[in-house]
Amino acid sequence: QSALTQPASVSGSPGQSITIPCTGTTSDVGGYDYVSWYQQHPGKAPKLVIYDVTNWPSGVSHRFSGSKSGNTASLTISGLQAEDEADYYCSSYTSSSTQVFGGGTKVTVL
Amino acid sequence: QVQLVQSAAEVKKPGSSVRVSCKASGDTFSNYAISWVRQAPGQGLEWMGGIIPIFGAGNYAQKSQGRVTITADISTSTAYMELSSLRSEDTAVYYCARGRLEGFWGAFDYWGQGTLVTVSS
Repeated sequence: QSALTQPASVSGSPGQSITIPCTGTTSDVGGYDYVSWYQQHPGKAPKLVIYDVTNWPSGVSHRFSGSKSGNTASLTISGLQAEDEADYYCSSYTSSSTQVFGGGTKVTVL
Repeated sequence: QVQLVQSAAEVKKPGSSVRVSCKASGDTFSNYAISWVRQAPGQGLEWMGGIIPIFGAGNYAQKSQGRVTITADISTSTAYMELSSLRSEDTAVYYCARGRLEGFWGAFDYWGQGTLVTVSS
């Protein structure tokens, strides 16, 4: 199972919106609505910010939103804030009943 | 509130084995998938495998098969990940994480604090 494809880095200014794509195949992202997104600050455990493509866990800001088209899922962060600077990972359920992560995207707030 | 508490950091010799534990509290342990995810220094997340304790059998990433064994003890609400034939590339932080839905492999809503395993001669 190959890792999902994410850009290594994305940047934006405070208040702007950014979008992180996550590309897989019909055996993972394209085949199931079980894509999730995680935020990870340095030295910390990952935190779930989106599950099942578009849903928010309790307590997560709605500035984070998710979508999917075909084999590509996306995470959009609106109204970018300094605290959003972190690494972001997508993950998907697969046809082998396993999970696979993307390579991660470093978000920089300029 | 669900908590996952992992065992302490380990230093191991190449060729040896390591077992990391993950003790859950605050919810029904047996019905939720527990996955193991590792992160090498400066690298991304890698799903290694997991277990739904009530079902018993582990489920592994292709890369993990053969060297990783994941088990669970329902009586103590503890999951274990054993990695054998250690090599330097296995140096990483190992996390346990709980699946959000009962009986299903999906998003991970709770994470342990991570256990650093260092493989060095």
